[in-house]
Amino acid sequence: EADIYQTPRYLVIGTGKKITLECSQTMGHDKMYWYQQDPGMELHLIHYSYGVNSTEKGDLSSESTVSRIRTEHFPLTLESARPSHTSQYLCASSEGGAKTQYFGPGTRLLVL
Amino acid sequence: AQSVAQPEDQVNVAEGNPLTVKCTYSVSGNPYLFWYVQYPNRGLQFLLKYITGDNLVKGSYGFEAEFNKSQTSFHLKKPSALVSDSALYFCAVSPPSGGYQKVTFGIGTKLQVIP
Repeated sequence: EADIYQTPRYLVIGTGKKITLECSQTMGHDKMYWYQQDPGMELHLIHYSYGVNSTEKGDLSSESTVSRIRTEHFPLTLESARPSHTSQYLCASSEGGAKTQYFGPGTRLLVL
Repeated sequence: AQSVAQPEDQVNVAEGNPLTVKCTYSVSGNPYLFWYVQYPNRGLQFLLKYITGDNLVKGSYGFEAEFNKSQTSFHLKKPSALVSDSALYFCAVSPPSGGYQKVTFGIGTKLQVIP
């Protein structure tokens, strides 16, 4: 079944640790996105990708980085986590033209 | 620059009553418009979209939305609310063309359906 997956769903980690949030989609979409969302609040685009080897920063400045080596995979990395990174991170994908974005279940991150 | 406004932080409606969640937008040209729903601790789920054609768009779970170009609105509606409709609803807009097909989301409206 075509879908978009995120792991882990929940992560509690100490300050200064390096973390990678995984996102994979089986829909064959070219475009992928990372959003940051505080609970019950608006979404902020932090990264997006048009395709393999294409990554761009979004509207909200973020200390995270992303990579797109394979079409289906779009991981997000924080080199040194801080409490200000505590949030929910949503991954999404879309196919060209249709623009409907399909979201993963999210990763809720807590940095102590 | 494009923008989306959801003027109500929260909408309360009794179960069985009709519901409306409001959205207005600003964008150059003819827009693509979307509604998404988010349940607690989940990602957003696509409900419906307007691209062109009939101004009344039908979507998932009995929801529909009416595109009004003169009022630049795209309100979400449902004839009879269910308790299970209680969630956070996001309106989104994008221009029909462009290199980066930027989608702008509203701040969300919390829908509370009261039994």
